[in-house]
Amino acid sequence: EPEVTQTPSHQVTQMGQEVILRCVPISNHLYFYWYRQILGQKVEFLVSFYNNEISEKSEIFDDQFSVERPDGSNFTLKIRSTKLEDSAMYFCASSETQGGKLFFGSGTQLSVL
Amino acid sequence: GQNIDQPTEMTATEGAIVQINCTYQTSGFNGLFWYQQHAGEAPTFLSYNVLDGLEEKGRFSSFLSRSKGYSYLLLKELQMKDSASYLCAVRDRGNTDKLIFGTGTRLQVFP
Repeated sequence: EPEVTQTPSHQVTQMGQEVILRCVPISNHLYFYWYRQILGQKVEFLVSFYNNEISEKSEIFDDQFSVERPDGSNFTLKIRSTKLEDSAMYFCASSETQGGKLFFGSGTQLSVL
Repeated sequence: GQNIDQPTEMTATEGAIVQINCTYQTSGFNGLFWYQQHAGEAPTFLSYNVLDGLEEKGRFSSFLSRSKGYSYLLLKELQMKDSASYLCAVRDRGNTDKLIFGTGTRLQVFP
């Protein structure tokens, strides 16, 4: 079965550093998402992306966050200057249709020290 | 505001049946999803309800009542591998891709 792949699986960074989390969505999917889950808390929506632009973003997704689809396969989340509270598991997801079933990647555990 | 409530934890015995409830108060409604999440792993899709009634898929069934803002996930013939968190998520309108998740119900299945 096709799957969403994310790299790296773990990322440790110093506060204030930039990080880029990478995702390869399922190849025929058109809608891409980032969610995050702080340890012990609920999964939270960050941003959705379609047709090379952001279609929706949450309050969490402030100016420190950006997303990009640099080529036909990758989908990245950049955090410009990480804060301690950015420590979380970041999940990439994709779907074939708007509002359709989301397929999640296995996540990147980000630890900000 | 948007609110999705689920019990925090449940326990059950192998071979038994368990029902995990979810109530939601959202500004709108355009579908409810159930996901399974094993510790440290990605959520995986279990079921989708947009109309009232029961959707059955093997050992798992999901029910929705839109008038009551209520859903449940029913797991039959429980197996040890069903020990996981079960996440209820709602799409609150038609022109959004965003899912609003509950905190999840951690189910432990004992032999």
